Parts: sequence; C-alpha cells; structure tokens
Amino acid sequence: DAGVIQSPRHEVTEMGQEVTLRCKPISGHNSLFWYRQTMMRGLELLIYFNNNVPIDDSGMPEDRFSAKMPNASFSTLKIQPSEPRDSAVYFCASSFEGGDGYTFGSGTRLTVV
Amino acid sequence: GESVGLHLPTLSVQEGDNSIINCAYSNSASDYFIWYKQESGKGPQFIIDIRSNMDKRQGQRVTVLLNKTVKHLSLQIAATQPGDSAVYFCAESQAGTALIFGKGTTLSVSS
Repeated sequence: DAGVIQSPRHEVTEMGQEVTLRCKPISGHNSLFWYRQTMMRGLELLIYFNNNVPIDDSGMPEDRFSAKMPNASFSTLKIQPSEPRDSAVYFCASSFEGGDGYTFGSGTRLTVV
Repeated sequence: GESVGLHLPTLSVQEGDNSIINCAYSNSASDYFIWYKQESGKGPQFIIDIRSNMDKRQGQRVTVLLNKTVKHLSLQIAATQPGDSAVYFCAESQAGTALIFGKGTTLSVSS
C-alpha cells in the first residue's frame, strides 16, 4: 500500500497565481480530508468528503479556495488567486468510515511570494 | 468553537525515562480521541486512539488515559527513546465530524 499520495511535495508560486494541490487517498477509504498546518494556527481542517461528497467546508478560508473530489481515488484543492498568507503545509488524509484514525500524506509545502 | 489544547508546548526528557504528554479538550460531546506523532518534514502518524466508553488503552510502549470528568487526555510513553523525539498532537471528534487537532507538544529526548 503506497499510502496517501500528495503532489507536488513543494510548490513556490507568485502572488496572484493559481495553485492546484493533488491527493490520491488509500484505496478503499471513503473519507478524505484536507488540512492546513502553520506554526501560528496548527493543523486546521479545511474540508472533508465522504463518499466523494463534501460534508463540511466550513474551514475553507474564503472563496479563493475550492476543493473537488471527482472520484474515489482523486481530490484537488485549488487556490485562485494565491496570496502570501496562504503559505503553509497542506495535508490530505483519508480514512475508512468506522475505522481507526486517519492516514496522512506527506503534505505539500506551499510558498507564495 | 470547540477546541483541543495541550498543557505544555515542549517537554524534554532523558532517554529511558517515561514521558507524559497532556491534553485538555472542551467538547463534552466528543467520543473519539487520538494521538498523532509528527516528525520533521512528514505528515502526522497515528499512535493510539481511545473511545469515550474506555478510560485506558495500551499499545506498544504507549498508553492513553481518558478522564471524561475533567475532559483530560494523556499519552504516556515508556522508556522514551531518541526516536520518540517529535511533535505530538491530540485530536478529538464526535460522530459525523472530522478530527480537530490541538496545537502540539514538542518532545525532545536526550541521550
């Protein structure tokens, strides 16, 4: 099992550019989560999906952020336009409903200059 | 909103000592609690979890204690090793909601 796969590992972009982060959950997991980690705010939940349907997006900072899960094996988190304050590590995690805990990917370190 | 917090941001111990990392939570409706370990440059890694119908659960060298009366969670690591050095997060959830994480405690183990 390759675990949760995120790409890219690192992304440096200029303010105003569109950024797309990608995630492949563990096969068979039916819940997918996007978290953002910063020193100041720790790990914050942005959005989560259950069976490809968004359940709670109350953590999405603003309209510049959007997330999709077109099928059970792929999700994207898009920021358009990006701003320097979006700089953080973005984690994707997946789980099986009723299972124990989430499995996290290695994260995408985003730097917006 | 509800939040999960930790009592101490850093903890330094000697190799071989037992470590205790504490966490306070505020949502009395939470019924699932979990500890994660995060090493530098990596994603959080599951350590151990506990449900609200239990007050203690043991794993290999780790024990989680849950005190629902005072809404307190702790992680005990026996015979701490240098490889245990990392940031430890507690998290909580209730049915139908996602895990909410505390801000983390950095454990430093010196040999």
